[in-house]
Amino acid sequence: QITLKESGPTLVKPTQTLTLTCTFSGFSLSTIGVGVGWVRQPPGKALEWLALIYWDDDRRYSPSLKSRLTITKDTSNNQVVLSMTNMDPMDTGTYYCAHRLEGGLVGAPFDYWGQGTLVTVSS
Amino acid sequence: QSVLTQPPSVSGAPGQRVTISCTGSSSNIGSGYEVHWYQQLPGTAPRLLIYANTNRPSGVPDRFSGSRSGTSASLAITGLQAEDEADYYCQSYDSSLRGLVFGGGTKLTVL
Repeated sequence: QITLKESGPTLVKPTQTLTLTCTFSGFSLSTIGVGVGWVRQPPGKALEWLALIYWDDDRRYSPSLKSRLTITKDTSNNQVVLSMTNMDPMDTGTYYCAHRLEGGLVGAPFDYWGQGTLVTVSS
Repeated sequence: QSVLTQPPSVSGAPGQRVTISCTGSSSNIGSGYEVHWYQQLPGTAPRLLIYANTNRPSGVPDRFSGSRSGTSASLAITGLQAEDEADYYCQSYDSSLRGLVFGGGTKLTVL
């Protein structure tokens, strides 16, 4: 059974760096084909893909946010960490981590999601 | 402005059939990249509903179906039920952006 859970601060100040941790179970990020990504959703708005990390440490980022994002993995502890610098009130929203559907699809969907964590950016 | 365009809202009565469109371009759906659909019930995380244009994950009722043609895709829901009231999102890959892209979402209201 695959599960994921996000953790991190619920409130950050503008200009600060946000660090979120995704702790998962039911799969290993050292298995060929496995990937974990992050998606966010501002209140009342659409989903937005942020980043994705693969079993081989290949990392992909949203072009519009690439300069602010870093995704890393800790395979031994089954965790993926996302950092986002220079936080702004516009970054307020729910941040989800998710497991990428395994297989050969380019742009594969996310088949398992965490419950999400609401991050508010405010001074 | 989302890369994939969806109607903001659709509605239908119980038992009816509704469709939700997802319009892309030559750098995503039109290039043959697969389209996936998610259902998001209020206050919950998205749930994968359709993957690779037409495939349903285990547990998804066959009332839900997907299709793709040209630069667009569609999600069809037959036999509408009150529990289908949710937001629906399409997702694909864009070769120009070199990343995943989502639609703006469609709110389905069951009348």
